[in-house]
Amino acid sequence: GNSVTQMEGPVTLSEEAFLTINCTYTATGYPSLFWYVQYPGEGLQLLLKATKADDKGSNKGFEATYRKETTSFHLEKGSVQVSDSAVYFCALRDTDKLIFGTGTRLQVFP
Amino acid sequence: GAGVSQSPSNKVTEKGKDVELRCDPISGHTALYWYRQSLGQGLEFLIYFQGNSAPDKSGLPSDRFSAERTGGSVSTLTIQRTQQEDSAVYLCASSLGDFSYNEQFFGPGTRLTVL
Repeated sequence: GNSVTQMEGPVTLSEEAFLTINCTYTATGYPSLFWYVQYPGEGLQLLLKATKADDKGSNKGFEATYRKETTSFHLEKGSVQVSDSAVYFCALRDTDKLIFGTGTRLQVFP
Repeated sequence: GAGVSQSPSNKVTEKGKDVELRCDPISGHTALYWYRQSLGQGLEFLIYFQGNSAPDKSGLPSDRFSAERTGGSVSTLTIQRTQQEDSAVYLCASSLGDFSYNEQFFGPGTRLTVL
């Protein structure tokens, strides 16, 4: 079946460092791909998405490119802030439902 | 505007009791989803509604779990004879439609603790 694998955390960075969180998927066809973020004490929010190969999703300085050759959707940000500290989930759309990765906790220190 | 709301926010119950969790989706959203977030299993899909019907119940872990949706709006997830392994955060989401590009908006969740 379809699945998502993302790097384990926690990822600990200093403010203004470069961030990469790896995500790879296994799927039949070309599903839509998503990154969701869960800030402390808050619900899941959509961060960005890409619906077809080579699409780049972007939001709040975060980017991810849908790579069908490597079945990947890595999340990147050039300069993280303390306020980016959260848990990040990679997900794919499998017909009607989302299939999530295990989540990666990001901690950014000043 | 109002987002997805869930109640209660926290529920503590004793093993063997039944519990009901409620979800109020965003007005006008026809699709509604239930997920479960637990330490051992991560985020898992439970059930999907389109209108009042549930074309996909494949994620319900056992026959102790059931859900219904009435009036194309409010949904209730019922867990009968709760077990300790049912302890988790139960998340509800809704979307305008069920196309792959429709964003799913999540509620804050109900944290269920089974003693």
